[in-house]
Amino acid sequence: DTEVTQTPKHLVMGMTNKKSLKCEQHMGHRAMYWYKQKAKKPPELMFVYSYEKLSINESVPSRFSPECPNSSLLNLHLHALQPEDSALYLCASSQVRTGKNTGELFFGEGSRLTVL
Amino acid sequence: GENVEQHPSTLSVQEGDSAVIKCTYSDSASNYFPWYKQELGKRPQLIIDIRSNVGEKKDQRIAVTLNKTAKHFSLHITETQPEDSAVYFCAASRGADTGRRALTFGSGTRLQVQP
Repeated sequence: DTEVTQTPKHLVMGMTNKKSLKCEQHMGHRAMYWYKQKAKKPPELMFVYSYEKLSINESVPSRFSPECPNSSLLNLHLHALQPEDSALYLCASSQVRTGKNTGELFFGEGSRLTVL
Repeated sequence: GENVEQHPSTLSVQEGDSAVIKCTYSDSASNYFPWYKQELGKRPQLIIDIRSNVGEKKDQRIAVTLNKTAKHFSLHITETQPEDSAVYFCAASRGADTGRRALTFGSGTRLQVQP
């Protein structure tokens, strides 16, 4: 199984709503990531979890709250978002890089978020 | 932090021609350089990568070259086919010690292969 599964595929929410994006992988990867991608732009790193601990937060506003409940799951909790937060949110996973592997990133299909 | 610049932003070639996309990076400590292909509405998918201890790598019609001194790397696609049409992103990262793969992406190249 080389799949990273994201749900929901599409989400529309108001600025006062609370919602969550979910990501799951069963490849035994111990590094998981959230990226944000706006139209015609590259993915931008938001958060990195390594061994279920947050290791990188790229100065993301607190209205985005990540959670890694176990080694297979990654959540992104959303609260009080702004219309400019509308984007494709990509989850990815990789092996923790050693000298013997490349640590290839496997991306999910993404959750397309629209904030009204 | 790392900064990756990618050129050109769009590239149109005839089927069967070669395509070359170039990237430069700023952080001399970067040691891993993947290339991702993203079709419209799809996820980015790794097509080839290179590590800093290698100067060139080839996989069928795709090759990547790395010049560490100049801090640039390039993607070469030969005998292009219409299904090669997509957006291609280069990326760079350095996370060797903690195992984190914190990629910094280039701005992307939209490749269109005309039949």
